[in-house]
Amino acid sequence: RKEVEQDPGPFNVPEGATVAFNCTYSNSASQSFFWYRQDCRKEPKLLMSVYSSGNEDGRFTAQLNRASQYISLLIRDSKLSDSATYLCVVYRYGGSQGNLIFGKGTKLSVKP
Amino acid sequence: NAGVTQTPKFQVLKTGQSMTLQCAQDMNHEYMSWYRQDPGMGLRLIHYSVGAGITDQGEVPNGYNVSRSTTEDFPLRLLSAAPSQTSVYFCASTQWGVGETQYFGPGTRLLVL
Repeated sequence: RKEVEQDPGPFNVPEGATVAFNCTYSNSASQSFFWYRQDCRKEPKLLMSVYSSGNEDGRFTAQLNRASQYISLLIRDSKLSDSATYLCVVYRYGGSQGNLIFGKGTKLSVKP
Repeated sequence: NAGVTQTPKFQVLKTGQSMTLQCAQDMNHEYMSWYRQDPGMGLRLIHYSVGAGITDQGEVPNGYNVSRSTTEDFPLRLLSAAPSQTSVYFCASTQWGVGETQYFGPGTRLLVL
C-alpha cells in the first residue's frame, strides 16, 4: 500500500461545478499536510497547507481528519484555470522517501 | 530572486553517456533534493542534502550521484545513462525546519536512447 493515496481521477467537470478530492495517508506519525498543484509540463507549486481545524482560501477549502488519516480538497465554482493535477503531500520525519511524501496526483479538467 | 533554476531544460543522451543536471537556488535554503517524475509513478526522491557537504540517498538513488559543495548548488550526475532514466527531473529546495514548502525548479526533460 502506498503511503499517500489519492482518487485516481481524472475528474472532468463543467465550469461552475464543485469538485472534491480525497487523500488518505498510512503513517500515523505524519505531521503536516499540503495540497500542491501541477500544471501540464510544469513544476509542482504549493496550493495550500492543511490544518486540523480546516482552512479556506477563496474557492478552495482543505480539511484534515487525523483520526481517519484523511485529507480533502474542495474547489467551489470551478474555473477553466483550475485545470491541473492536484498532489496530496504529507510531511513526516525520516525515511528513504524523504520528509515529503507525494501522492500520484488527481487530474482535474474543467470544461466550458 | 530567481528561486530554483535548472539547466538544461531538455537533453537527449545515448545509452552509456554521462551528464550533469545543474540546479541552483538563491534563497539560502539548507535542504535541497532531486526528484524524478514518471507517468503513473508520481514524484520519487533520488537524493537529498540537508546542507553543504551532506548528502543522502532517497528512494531511487541507483545510477545517480550528487554533491553539495555550496549552499546554492546541487548538481545531479548520471554516470552511465540508461533508457530507464528517461524522465522529467525536478530539483527542489526548502528552508529546513521552517515549514515544509518545497520550491521546485522548472524541470529537465531527459530522453535516453
